[in-house]
Amino acid sequence: EVQLLESGGGLVQPGGSLRLSCAASGFSFSDYAMSWVRQAPGKGLEWVATMSGSGSSTYYADSVKGRFTISRDNSKNTLYLQMNRLRAEDTALYYCAKHTGSLHRFDYWGQGTLVTVSS
Amino acid sequence: NFMLTQTHSVSESPGKTVTISCTRSSGSIASNSVQWFQQRPGSSPTTVIYEDNQRPSGVPDRFSGSIDSSSNSASLTISGLKTEDEADYYCQSYDSSSRWVFGGGTKLTVL
Repeated sequence: EVQLLESGGGLVQPGGSLRLSCAASGFSFSDYAMSWVRQAPGKGLEWVATMSGSGSSTYYADSVKGRFTISRDNSKNTLYLQMNRLRAEDTALYYCAKHTGSLHRFDYWGQGTLVTVSS
Repeated sequence: NFMLTQTHSVSESPGKTVTISCTRSSGSIASNSVQWFQQRPGSSPTTVIYEDNQRPSGVPDRFSGSIDSSSNSASLTISGLKTEDEADYYCQSYDSSSRWVFGGGTKLTVL
């Protein structure tokens, strides 16, 4: 059974940093691209960042480019999101999502970890 | 870059059929597959349709998807509505410049 367990969310001041983690199990982690997708309170889904299975390719939404860094440790089956220079508009529930064999779509989602940026 | 536009909300009675649309702003809707996600309150999204019209195992055949090149849109149709279908529904597609794009979501109320 595929499981994705996010952690690391919390309350942080504007301009601060936070690192999210996503522990994966139930599949061959290094074979699949992984993404972070966020959802602001009461709002829709927004793609944030993606990393290929090998880690050789990364993609970022314009809204986070230069501030967020996606990475993975395939030996630990864990995906990360380093978030720097956080803004109030980054407040959201951050989901970890697994891609299918096709990079274009997702098939499994975690339960999310809440990030609140506020003074 | 493209956007996917969805009707904000729709309501229908149990047993009826509802169709939720998703219109692509630029580029062809047929150029990359469309996925539909269901998100019940307090839960993570789950896939109800992938690759335009395919149902994952476990999703009832009351759910169907299609694309229409003439209107450059995708549609999710739910027949025989049940109260458990009440949720937010999101379409999603991809292209090499915009990457992964979600529609704004449609809130389905079954009353």
